[in-house]
Amino acid sequence: SQQGEEDPQALSIQEGENATMNCSYKTSINNLQWYRQNSGRGLVHLILIRSNEREKHSGRLRVTLDTSKKSSSLLITASRAADTASYFCATDGSSNTGKLIFGQGTTLQVKP
Amino acid sequence: EADIYQTPRYLVIGTGKKITLECSQTMGHDKMYWYQQDPGMELHLIHYSYGVNSTEKGDLSSESTVSRIRTEHFPLTLESARPSHTSQYLCASSDTGDREQYFGPGTRLTVT
Repeated sequence: SQQGEEDPQALSIQEGENATMNCSYKTSINNLQWYRQNSGRGLVHLILIRSNEREKHSGRLRVTLDTSKKSSSLLITASRAADTASYFCATDGSSNTGKLIFGQGTTLQVKP
Repeated sequence: EADIYQTPRYLVIGTGKKITLECSQTMGHDKMYWYQQDPGMELHLIHYSYGVNSTEKGDLSSESTVSRIRTEHFPLTLESARPSHTSQYLCASSDTGDREQYFGPGTRLTVT
């Protein structure tokens, strides 16, 4: 993979439970982003965390970043069936070109 | 909802045909991107553009070509489609200062 690993590749939980997805990357970064993709659709931006930030919140989402380990995690609290989707992390590889390098994604299924 | 559009959404075409996938955005973004994504897999950048008359190849080699004659329009052309081109093609755009990319709904291409 260009990016590294995301784990787990697939996750199945019950509604109301928390879901945690992890992402590792290979190069230094300016920022790391998380996107969601519903089946057969384009990606939707969820949250961006800069390299000098360690944690960021947005609604039910919490993202952490550990640049020393080149890893990030996305936590979705109190999951809903509508959260069922694939989740991708993406980094800019410390370039200012705007280009992103995407991970392989985690497929999340939330059962009602 | 992002103001970025792709047509057609689905295309089934025979080997050897020439096709053009359309992408347009109304956000005035300078940067635009084309990604190729196989089912359940990561996104691979195949083309990007920093502005009008600026196009470059991405990290994944592709037989397709692009043009950027107008800011809002970034079409992708395959001169002679082959079954190996079967995939989903995603178009995205971003503003100069932003790092967030806005994605279109994608075109699912099947070459028979």
